[in-house]
Amino acid sequence: QKEVEQDPGPLSVPEGAIVSLNCTYSNSAFQYFMWYRQYSRKGPELLMYTYSSGNKEDGRFTAQVDKSSKYISLFIRDSQPSDSATYLCAMSEVDSSYKLIFGSGTRLLVRP
Amino acid sequence: DTGVSQNPRHKITKRGQNVTFRCDPISEHNRLYWYRQTLGQGPEFLTYFQNEAQLEKSRLLSDRFSAERPKGSFSTLEIQRTEQGDSAMYLCASSPDRVSSQPQHFGDGTRLSIL
Repeated sequence: QKEVEQDPGPLSVPEGAIVSLNCTYSNSAFQYFMWYRQYSRKGPELLMYTYSSGNKEDGRFTAQVDKSSKYISLFIRDSQPSDSATYLCAMSEVDSSYKLIFGSGTRLLVRP
Repeated sequence: DTGVSQNPRHKITKRGQNVTFRCDPISEHNRLYWYRQTLGQGPEFLTYFQNEAQLEKSRLLSDRFSAERPKGSFSTLEIQRTEQGDSAMYLCASSPDRVSSQPQHFGDGTRLSIL
């Protein structure tokens, strides 16, 4: 079993829909939680970054962390065709390296 | 604003050849990371530098792989005697020492194709 599980999709939604993306994890030592967006043949681009539990909002994006359930979510409001990409969740422990452990990514398609 | 820069963007080579990739991190970022990403998967950690010191290596980093970061600036990742299984995207990321204030930012990677 992988440390971080993420539904690969693809997830197809109409333009303007609210999108919900999720990850579960098994390592209770994870303290930092991130969401990255990756377009084809490009590197991951940081979207959201949270420490420990709670919510964080930035424009159309909201990230939620529930450490008691080992579950994190990313919500995208008013989705646009330009949001079509692969969304990767990533996590790290508070240790010397802060190396990231990634989910396998969810492919999102927003239809015009 | 200069981000993480990686060269080359794409490398095609024959099995058994040696290849070297370069990463230029964001200026003043002391931490530098290498990851490998295969199709349909998330990036996997390979190794980590704090300034010029290589402080952690994944067991994915076989003895055919070597990474350096001379003078704590740019970094190189070399793969000797390449194998088919080495075909992947190799990603570099950097972050400042104060990780709590800023997480890792990635370059666009070097895509390695083994013929």
